[in-house]
Amino acid sequence: DAGITQSPRHKVTETGTPVTLRCHQTENHRYMYWYRQDPGHGLRLIHYSYGVKDTDKGEVSDGYSVSRSKTEDFLLTLESATSSQTSVYFCAISERAGRSEDTFGSGTRLTVV
Amino acid sequence: GQQLNQSPQSMFIQEGEDVSMNCTSSSIFNTWLWYKQDPGEGPVLLIALYKAGELTSNGRLTAQFGITRKDSFLNISASIPSDVGIYFCAGQLTGNQFYFGTGTSLTVIP
Repeated sequence: DAGITQSPRHKVTETGTPVTLRCHQTENHRYMYWYRQDPGHGLRLIHYSYGVKDTDKGEVSDGYSVSRSKTEDFLLTLESATSSQTSVYFCAISERAGRSEDTFGSGTRLTVV
Repeated sequence: GQQLNQSPQSMFIQEGEDVSMNCTSSSIFNTWLWYKQDPGEGPVLLIALYKAGELTSNGRLTAQFGITRKDSFLNISASIPSDVGIYFCAGQLTGNQFYFGTGTSLTVIP
């Protein structure tokens, strides 16, 4: 989507290495989210942010950390990548909590070997 | 985590046919959303539902928020080839967390 960019789009990394994924928005939305998508599980929330420096855990937060130092950027870090973290990661943004304005990025395909 | 049971898992239909899919949960949700995802892209919101019993349309798409607040339905009328994709339901319990179904893969045969 034009207002939200994820980088990189694809990444292959080795087990045990740290990895950081970036989500950048130009919509000035307050809320930002990181999801992972796996076959048979749909999308599951990892972490979300409700403002600069304000973050909270989602359903599957173990092994992940996030940071939001600016409104426009939300970083997801895999502290020590494992094969179970091979997945497609999606960022989403929303202007208001609990409403339907979520816009999703195009995803980052991460492979941990 | 919360489990949303989405069915059917996949559908193969002829162009012009109507499609129905649904999502059920053991929990009561405050909001139901329906998304469509194309290959290599993120989900795109189709319809949002905020009240039990609500029926909302978006073109050929109609969705309903179940009376019990534990289910939702999506119907697509007169399907066309561009309807192909994976359809996801998502429900909100409280706060900022939405839980997604496992998706319904739709194939439209011209």
